[in-house]
Amino acid sequence: AQTVTQSQPEMSVQEAETVTLSCTYDTSESDYYLFWYKQPPSRQMILVIRQEAYKQQNATENRFSVNFQKAAKSFSLKISDSQLGDAAMYFCALMMYSGGGADGLTFGKGTHLIIQP
Amino acid sequence: DAGITQSPRHKVTETGTPVTLRCHQTENHRYMYWYRQDPGHGLRLIHYSYGVKDTDKGEVSDGYSVSRSKTEDFLLTLESATSSQTSVYFCAIRTDGNTIYFGEGSWLTVV
Repeated sequence: AQTVTQSQPEMSVQEAETVTLSCTYDTSESDYYLFWYKQPPSRQMILVIRQEAYKQQNATENRFSVNFQKAAKSFSLKISDSQLGDAAMYFCALMMYSGGGADGLTFGKGTHLIIQP
Repeated sequence: DAGITQSPRHKVTETGTPVTLRCHQTENHRYMYWYRQDPGHGLRLIHYSYGVKDTDKGEVSDGYSVSRSKTEDFLLTLESATSSQTSVYFCAIRTDGNTIYFGEGSWLTVV
């Protein structure tokens, strides 16, 4: 079974600053996907960024980027130029790739990100 | 927007009554999922489907059943609701590119 751990229940950052959210995971497989989802107070789950384990290059989406360390099983999310709208719960998630299988996501328990104006 | 609609969005029901939540998708994705979200637990997989009439159990399937008679619809049924099933329920689809998108959630309160 796979596990995902987010060790920071809450983080706070000043507007316009950079913040990094941590995520570690455990799996015995070599092919998988990693995701960060954002959940604002509306509770909608919004995909932030996705990383394929076989790709060494770190994924980026505008102000969001990841630091993927496969050997260390680490997948941190960096948010640059933080904005008030970034305030939310952030969930790290792992999905195995089993060649067409129906695997779902395994989630961490989330990090609550506060943006200080 | 991955074309996912959940209904009802909010429901209050009494203990012991049956409840069905519906997930509808418009893009013919093969894989569909039901998750529940509770404080301190993140999201946990209840059941999933890999095609019409093809379903399987997830991590927290006790007390739930599912059905998928059409590609576009995935139903979650609580046969006899209990207070422990008060939760927010999310439907999700998996694209051909192996990305999972979520519906807006259904708030269920069992009193």
